[in-house]
Amino acid sequence: DVKVTQSSRYLVKRTGEKVFLECVQDMDHENMFWYRQDPGLGLRLIYFSYDVKMKEKGDIPEGYSVSREKKERFSLILESASTNQTSMYLCASRLPGQYSNQPQHFGDGTRLSIL
Amino acid sequence: GQNIDQPTEMTATEGAIVQINCTYQTSGFNGLFWYQQHAGEAPTFLSYNVLDGLEEKGRFSSFLSRSKGYSYLLLKELQMKDSASYLCAVREDTDKLIFGTGTRLQVFP
Repeated sequence: DVKVTQSSRYLVKRTGEKVFLECVQDMDHENMFWYRQDPGLGLRLIYFSYDVKMKEKGDIPEGYSVSREKKERFSLILESASTNQTSMYLCASRLPGQYSNQPQHFGDGTRLSIL
Repeated sequence: GQNIDQPTEMTATEGAIVQINCTYQTSGFNGLFWYQQHAGEAPTFLSYNVLDGLEEKGRFSSFLSRSKGYSYLLLKELQMKDSASYLCAVREDTDKLIFGTGTRLQVFP
């Protein structure tokens, strides 16, 4: 069965801290994604990665960076956390593009609060 | 520009049928996905349409009309556990998904 694991369900950090959100998938998927989900705005793509050490900006990359050193792990980094980054963060993975009917599989999410 | 519209909230009665509509305007189209998301949980995949027509999967069906930029998700024989948010997402020419804001469905006894 498909499994995408996010390291924390709930996280509280302070303004200005550097924050790491970790995501691991066990399906040998090439493609991985980071979203944030806010009421009334839906899921918005922050960054995605097609392969190890590759990354592409999504729709709202400002204030974030990512790291993909191993195929199974995709990390989201908040360089200097701000209160407007308080949100639910969702990680997803899928097979590469030629498998067009394959869905993205999501982790359970990390609810991050920045104080 | 990119735009995906779906109703914010819907209510229905247990045992009834409900149709959740989704209209989209995107720069490319390579399939439309429906996801279900219970409160506090991960979105889970329900259906995929890339060709016009109806796809049926048990109590759930999904329809697509590419010329109209329109899809719907049909839920039959509603159960209380169907109370959730339903997310419509369009896959553009890359692997990126563009999501609508979701429709929150409440099923009452």
